[in-house]
Amino acid sequence: DQQVKQNSPSLSVQEGRISILNCDYTNSMFDYFLWYKKYPAEGPTFLISISSIKDKNEDGRFTVFLNKSAKHLSLHIVPSQPGDSAVYFCAASDPFNNNDMRFGAGTRLTVKP
Amino acid sequence: DAGVTQSPTHLIKTRGQQVTLRCSPISGHKSVSWYQQVLGQGPQFIFQYYEKEERGRGNFPDRFSARQFPNYSSELNVNALLLGDSALYLCASSLGGTGNTIYFGEGSWLTVV
Repeated sequence: DQQVKQNSPSLSVQEGRISILNCDYTNSMFDYFLWYKKYPAEGPTFLISISSIKDKNEDGRFTVFLNKSAKHLSLHIVPSQPGDSAVYFCAASDPFNNNDMRFGAGTRLTVKP
Repeated sequence: DAGVTQSPTHLIKTRGQQVTLRCSPISGHKSVSWYQQVLGQGPQFIFQYYEKEERGRGNFPDRFSARQFPNYSSELNVNALLLGDSALYLCASSLGGTGNTIYFGEGSWLTVV
């Protein structure tokens, strides 16, 4: 069962513009959400996280928004840079089963110079 | 500071063989998790260990087993390898507990022929 879904397999944006990556989840028990970035031949790198008690978390060019009623989160990258080109995974865990972190299938972001 | 380290980075095995993958967590982290990632999908949870005890297990057959040692390093064993076991195996470490970020290693690429 896919409890975390990233419906866009790929996204292409121009350098300097905003990149918006989306993620939907079905398990209402999820209370901690994370975004990871993955380059080819490397392990996923932690990017940013958000707890369900917040609706926004910002770290430099990266902002994650959480809409609990819609069970939706998004990652905004502003401004986008060519080095941001990678596969982005969203992940979620619930407090009663935090050992099992669920990942989406990923979105491949390409930032064009 | 050293991150999560995994070995070997690449290996090729024959169907029916057994494989052992190794992982050293970030210093101070007591929890280690194992994930399998196949192309086009997000990481799938296999096991989590905390303080040398199994705390979670994903939907994988009994051919998969793991353990954690007193120094918090871990091994993942897969017996009777199948072609479908070919994947990137990721180890992640965290402090443990709820709402904690997991940090991944570079992964071990396993090819079963």
